[in-house]
Amino acid sequence: DAGITQSPRHKVTETGTPVTLRCHQTENHRYMYWYRQDPGHGLRLIHYSYGVKDTDKGEVSDGYSVSRSKTEDFLLTLESATSSQTSVYFCAISATSGDYEQYFGPGTRLTVT
Amino acid sequence: GDSVTQMEGPVTLSEEACLTINCTYTATGYPSLFWYVQYPGEGLQLLLKATKADDKGSNKGFEATYRKETTSFHLEKGSVQVSDSAVYFCALILNNAGNMLTFGGGTRLMVKP
Repeated sequence: DAGITQSPRHKVTETGTPVTLRCHQTENHRYMYWYRQDPGHGLRLIHYSYGVKDTDKGEVSDGYSVSRSKTEDFLLTLESATSSQTSVYFCAISATSGDYEQYFGPGTRLTVT
Repeated sequence: GDSVTQMEGPVTLSEEACLTINCTYTATGYPSLFWYVQYPGEGLQLLLKATKADDKGSNKGFEATYRKETTSFHLEKGSVQVSDSAVYFCALILNNAGNMLTFGGGTRLMVKP
């Protein structure tokens, strides 16, 4: 199994509070991704990173920001959580661009009340 | 835009029954196609892939053939087991857009003994 951990695994927070989710990898892979999973939508890309301090937006980036100060860590921040951001969040990594093998973390279930 | 459409679930089968999960896609370019599987409480794992027309991906008894003429990538297995119970996602990635996987909505498979 690829060495990917996510923290926390579960979180309940209130509307309007900031939330940061962490993805940590031990594979030294260049590319890291954040997805959200919602019923009927599969997984949708929020943001991705192609190197330290290099990030770009995905399909559903509004309301989210990311940072990558080290190869191994990719942080997803909800500046002011809303109920529409209740979801399961998955981190993924891949070694190269277009490397079709993306390895997924175990997920973080976030509930915004 | 690019999209993937899967048959809605849940699909409920008895052990040793034949499985087909339909997947069709719309893409502006020439995509590579994937099936991912998500077991309960886990992240996604790559099940199989095909990168060009008429390629057949296979793994763990599952197969899918890239049909460009029908823009389809249906997942099949001749004899399912209880351990195959999971959610299956069809996905595509464009060969000139190496970072973004586009997922279908997922199909839940339940196999009964």
